[in-house]
Amino acid sequence: EDQVTQSPEALRLQEGESSSLNCSYTVSGLRGLFWYRQDPGKGPEFLFTLYSAGEEKEKERLKATLTKKESFLHITAPKPEDSATYLCAVQASGTYKYIFGTGTRLKVLA
Amino acid sequence: DAGITQSPRHKVTETGTPVTLRCHQTENHRYMYWYRQDPGHGLRLIHYSYGVKDTDKGEVSDGYSVSRSKTEDFLLTLESATSSQTSVYFCAISDPSGGEDTQYFGPGTRLTVL
Repeated sequence: EDQVTQSPEALRLQEGESSSLNCSYTVSGLRGLFWYRQDPGKGPEFLFTLYSAGEEKEKERLKATLTKKESFLHITAPKPEDSATYLCAVQASGTYKYIFGTGTRLKVLA
Repeated sequence: DAGITQSPRHKVTETGTPVTLRCHQTENHRYMYWYRQDPGHGLRLIHYSYGVKDTDKGEVSDGYSVSRSKTEDFLLTLESATSSQTSVYFCAISDPSGGEDTQYFGPGTRLTVL
């Protein structure tokens, strides 16, 4: 069964304290892995798509990496405005369905 | 921002009443999705559509039906609402024909079934 597990469930960081969020997945052939940011009361906002092991993508203080079993979202020198829930999703080969993890709630303290 | 709107944005209804949620897009994307989001469960797929009149079930489709008569509109219907269907509902769109399978989400509908 295709599955996505995110850890930790919640993370509190001091401003400037770098860390990583994990997304482990089990899928019968990966079509793509997606990272989203979700602010309270809003829909998820797209961040990155990764397609193959070894691929990396960056945007401001965020960097996403992918291996054959997991993905990491690295946050470098976070700021309070990076506080949000970060969601990971996978899409299996041969389907256009997406399977989401339950997310990591990040709180960055000033 | 992707042109996706959902209506209504909030709704309170009674158990046993029918409810229809609407998703409207202006992007001409082929794929449209309905999810529900609940604490501890994350986003779960209810139904999705891969073209006009073409739909398929997701992992939590019981009690829900969908219709897509036009590219831009995807309707989610709860034939007889139950308290377990209290949730936040999100619509999403994607169009893999451009080489990117990215999903873009609407603002959500908060549904309360009393």
